Amino acid sequence: DIQMTQSPSTLSASVGDRVTITCRASQSISSWLAWYQQKPGKAPNLLIYKASTLESGVPSRFSGSGSGTEFTLTISSLQPDDFATYYCQQYNSYFLTFGGGTKVEIK
Amino acid sequence: QVQLVESGGGVVQPGGSLRLSCAASGFSVSSSGMHWVRQAPGKGLEWVAFIRYDGSNNYYADSVKGRFTISRDTSTNTLYLQMNSLRGEDTAVYYCTRGGLPGYFDYWGQGTLVTVSS
Repeated sequence: DIQMTQSPSTLSASVGDRVTITCRASQSISSWLAWYQQKPGKAPNLLIYKASTLESGVPSRFSGSGSGTEFTLTISSLQPDDFATYYCQQYNSYFLTFGGGTKVEIK
Repeated sequence: QVQLVESGGGVVQPGGSLRLSCAASGFSVSSSGMHWVRQAPGKGLEWVAFIRYDGSNNYYADSVKGRFTISRDTSTNTLYLQMNSLRGEDTAVYYCTRGGLPGYFDYWGQGTLVTVSS
């Protein structure tokens, strides 16, 4: 299976900060990567697919980049609604795998 | 609009069985691939199972292969997960999601909690 590693596992930031989360794959996954946001007690919500394509309705302050084995999710200016846990997910193989998550906390 | 509503969770003893249901609306399960994804308490997300849009092929995570069965009823537009020989490590919130394989998950249900405990 393809292993996905996210860093950091926890991030403390303030409203207005630029935030970057990294996701690394154990082998090349081309651009077959998605990002999700999850708030406590809620289901995950799709933010980005194919590494950099923004899902309809997702604010433009979210962006994704990368290919191969290294990917980033960037929030250009952190808003109060963005404090949540973020997961990457690869879909290069039939056995879908997620990163361990990055919790974005209020500083 | 697309909606997924899970049901059937609860407390079950180790070795027991449970069947989860997911009622879909706003689209047809006969035209979309469907998955189950789970999340143990305080942990990350784990893909569990997939059924193709035409029901022709199913795929499972190694952790549940041989114990869980994914199926669907196109007449009621409902997805199912039959879980047998349940173990403590199967305790999780189970989400019904839509997507291809390989693919990402564009819609999620609210989840249903399964607790395996004596």
